[in-house]
Amino acid sequence: DQQVKQNSPSLSVQEGRISILNCDYTNSMFDYFLWYKKYPAEGPTFLISISSIKDKNEDGRFTVFLNKSAKHLSLHIVPSQPGDSAVYFCAASAVDNAGNMLTFGGGTRLMVKP
Amino acid sequence: SAVISQKPSRDICQRGTSLTIQCQVDSQVTMMFWYRQQPGQSLTLIATANQGSEATYESGFVIDKFPISRPNLTFSTLTVSNMSPEDSSIYLCSVDDRADGYTFGSGTRLTVV
Repeated sequence: DQQVKQNSPSLSVQEGRISILNCDYTNSMFDYFLWYKKYPAEGPTFLISISSIKDKNEDGRFTVFLNKSAKHLSLHIVPSQPGDSAVYFCAASAVDNAGNMLTFGGGTRLMVKP
Repeated sequence: SAVISQKPSRDICQRGTSLTIQCQVDSQVTMMFWYRQQPGQSLTLIATANQGSEATYESGFVIDKFPISRPNLTFSTLTVSNMSPEDSSIYLCSVDDRADGYTFGSGTRLTVV
């Protein structure tokens, strides 16, 4: 049972346009959400996060939106650049007895065309 | 944010042998997590390593196959034992640093032949 889902395995966007990556979750206990970017042969790197008490967090070209009622979050990249081409993972965390466990979505491969 | 040094970055190993992966953190952290990413799949949590206690393993992962050490608050190892080609994967350690989210090591790409 996947608790965090990224239903689009890939996304292709023209340079300069907006990239929107989506993520859905099922566990209402999740209270912190993160986006990671991963290049081939490298570990994922943290990109941006949002707490469940907020509905938007912005950092430069990257904005994450959280819709708790819909259990949905999205990452907007504006404007998209060729260097943004990578796999993007959303992740969610909930405090439980084992600590801040992280649950990842399956990833979306973003391709930004020049 | 924490900085993690993970070694080795990659290795090619013979079937039936074992490989130990090390993660060194530049600050003291309570919990370290070990993940596996198999080709075409998302990251899967293997276990959580607390200093001074036995690691907590996720369903499908056992200590005999993936023994973990956590001798202090800055260091942990994961051993992949009696390897088979199905163990070929990227292995990642991470720490929980809420200020910046989760910090990951650079990963170990393991190929078992």
